[in-house]
Amino acid sequence: DIQMTQSPSTLSAAVGDRVTITCRASRTLGSWLAWYQQKPGKAPKLVIYKASILQSGVPSRFSGSGSGTDFTLTITSLQPDDSATYYCQQYNSHPYTFGQGTKLEI
Amino acid sequence: QERLAESGGGVVQPGRSLRLSCAASGFTFSSFAMHWVRQAPGKGLEWLALISYSSSNRDYAVSVKGRFTISRDNSESTLYLQMDGLRDDDTAIYYCARGSTLLGAKDAFDVWGQGTMVTVSS
Repeated sequence: DIQMTQSPSTLSAAVGDRVTITCRASRTLGSWLAWYQQKPGKAPKLVIYKASILQSGVPSRFSGSGSGTDFTLTITSLQPDDSATYYCQQYNSHPYTFGQGTKLEI
Repeated sequence: QERLAESGGGVVQPGRSLRLSCAASGFTFSSFAMHWVRQAPGKGLEWLALISYSSSNRDYAVSVKGRFTISRDNSESTLYLQMDGLRDDDTAIYYCARGSTLLGAKDAFDVWGQGTMVTVSS
């Protein structure tokens, strides 16, 4: 199975800040990587797919980059509503696997 | 509006069975692969199973292979997860999610249900 390692596990930032979350895969993924946002008590929500494509309806302050084994999610101009746990997911091969999550506190 | 709604969760004793349902609306259910994902209390996300649009392709996580069965009824726009031989560590919120392809080979999950809680306890 492909192991996904996110860092950091928790992140504290202020409104207006720029933050970056990193995800590293144990094997190359090409660009088959997604990022999800999950708020407490809610289902995950797709934010980025194919490493850098913004899902429809997601604010443009979210962006993704990377390919191969190293990926990043960047959020600029942080808003209070961005407080959530963020997960990366590889969908290059089965079984699909998720990172352990990064809790973003604002 | 594209929507998924899970049902069927509850409290069940170890070794017993439970069947979850996921009703789809607002999109052509038969044109998408579908998946089940779970989340144990306070933990991360775990992919469990996929089924292609026509049910010709199914795949499972090792943790549930041989115990869980994914199926779908395209005429009813409903996805199922039959869970047999339940164990304590199957306690989780179970989500259904829509894949972005027909076959499920390279799927991000773009529509999620609200989840249904399954508690396995004696």
